[in-house]
Amino acid sequence: LAKTTQPISMDSYEGQEVNITCSHNNIATNDYITWYQQFPSQGPRFIIQGYKTKVTNEVASLFIPADRKSSTLSLPRVSLSDTAVYYCLVGEEGLGGGYQKVTFGIGTKLQVIP
Amino acid sequence: DTAVSQTPKYLVTQMGNDKSIKCEQNLGHDTMYWYKQDSKKFLKIMFSYNNKELIINETVPNRFSPKSPDKAHLNLHINSLELGDSAVYFCASSPQTERSYEQYFGPGTRLTVT
Repeated sequence: LAKTTQPISMDSYEGQEVNITCSHNNIATNDYITWYQQFPSQGPRFIIQGYKTKVTNEVASLFIPADRKSSTLSLPRVSLSDTAVYYCLVGEEGLGGGYQKVTFGIGTKLQVIP
Repeated sequence: DTAVSQTPKYLVTQMGNDKSIKCEQNLGHDTMYWYKQDSKKFLKIMFSYNNKELIINETVPNRFSPKSPDKAHLNLHINSLELGDSAVYFCASSPQTERSYEQYFGPGTRLTVT
């Protein structure tokens, strides 16, 4: 099981780009890196997933270096509504057919300041 | 149009009671999960079902018993409730897609045992 380490908290002003880095030194060859967002009193919400290099969607970008021992979630021009906890996950190999056993760490609490 | 729904949203009960939390997903997913988020915000997987078959059963007291009457439902029964069972319980579902760790979470059920 690949353990992840990320900062407990971060503050950012509105309109700034926020980068949250996650370390996963023991990532396995077939593991993917996934990020979730959780607002207070809600369930986590999938943001982005990647294996290597860079992935971008309408919400965020995910940068993964060649050694895959870390990854960086980049949120462009954050707003107050981006205040949430962000979880970095490294998925265990499926048991076959897509079974997923992901382990959530404590996450990074992002506070966006006006 | 809720994708993953849970009932009830709040549950307050006394020690020793037996209670159930219901979960339904209308996404057509094959796999469903139960997670527990404690007061320190750690989110830990408890169970995973695929096509009504138990796939993952983490170290959870046998007072917790999941039941899947069909692919769209995964209910959680808890017997002889203890103070330490107080937490937020999340149901989730995912498609049967290898190497995709996108899970869809319900809104959570806050269980308080007094």
